[in-house]
Amino acid sequence: AQKVTQAQTEISVVEKEDVTLDCVYETRDTTYYLFWYKQPPSGELVFLIRRNSFDEQNEISGRYSWNFQKSTSSFNFTITASQVVDSAVYFCALSDSGGYNKLIFGAGTRLAVHP
Amino acid sequence: SAVISQKPSRDICQRGTSLTIQCQVDSQVTMMFWYRQQPGQSLTLIATANQGSEATYESGFVIDKFPISRPNLTFSTLTVSNMSPEDSSIYLCSVDKADYGYTFGSGTRLTVV
Repeated sequence: AQKVTQAQTEISVVEKEDVTLDCVYETRDTTYYLFWYKQPPSGELVFLIRRNSFDEQNEISGRYSWNFQKSTSSFNFTITASQVVDSAVYFCALSDSGGYNKLIFGAGTRLAVHP
Repeated sequence: SAVISQKPSRDICQRGTSLTIQCQVDSQVTMMFWYRQQPGQSLTLIATANQGSEATYESGFVIDKFPISRPNLTFSTLTVSNMSPEDSSIYLCSVDKADYGYTFGSGTRLTVV
């Protein structure tokens, strides 16, 4: 069965620090997708990235970067030079390729960035 | 990416009553997904709604408690029936739009008193 583990429940950093959010997944599928979402205090879910299982290239988008390693079943997310506006809950998710493509979410990591 | 209009954004309801949540998408989509996020928790899929057929429910969720309608390719409703305080959660609808990933509605914050 598919599973997503975010072992870090809460992380607290000071502004301008770099921070890495860990995500480990389990799946028997050879084709799958991984996602990261941000949920700020307002509650909406903001899509950050989608990565398919055949693309192991790291991705960088501004201060955000993602490290996908199939060998360790990990899809970690790094924020460089964190800012207060980065404070949110971050969810890693895995798509289920079993027909309906539902998303399976990790428990989330609450990031607090202090000035 | 798709734009989803979800309403109501929040509601406070009496136990034993029902609430219907609506999601309108700005483009046609095959499947719509309904999630529940209990306080301080992650998101859990309630059901998948395909136009023209009955919704597919996940383990632990039943149609009598969470009836879903999907009358066309841009609209769906989720009803939370016979509510109890344990139903207090954020309910979100979602669609999958290819390379844009899964887009979510803004959520409905439900409090049952």
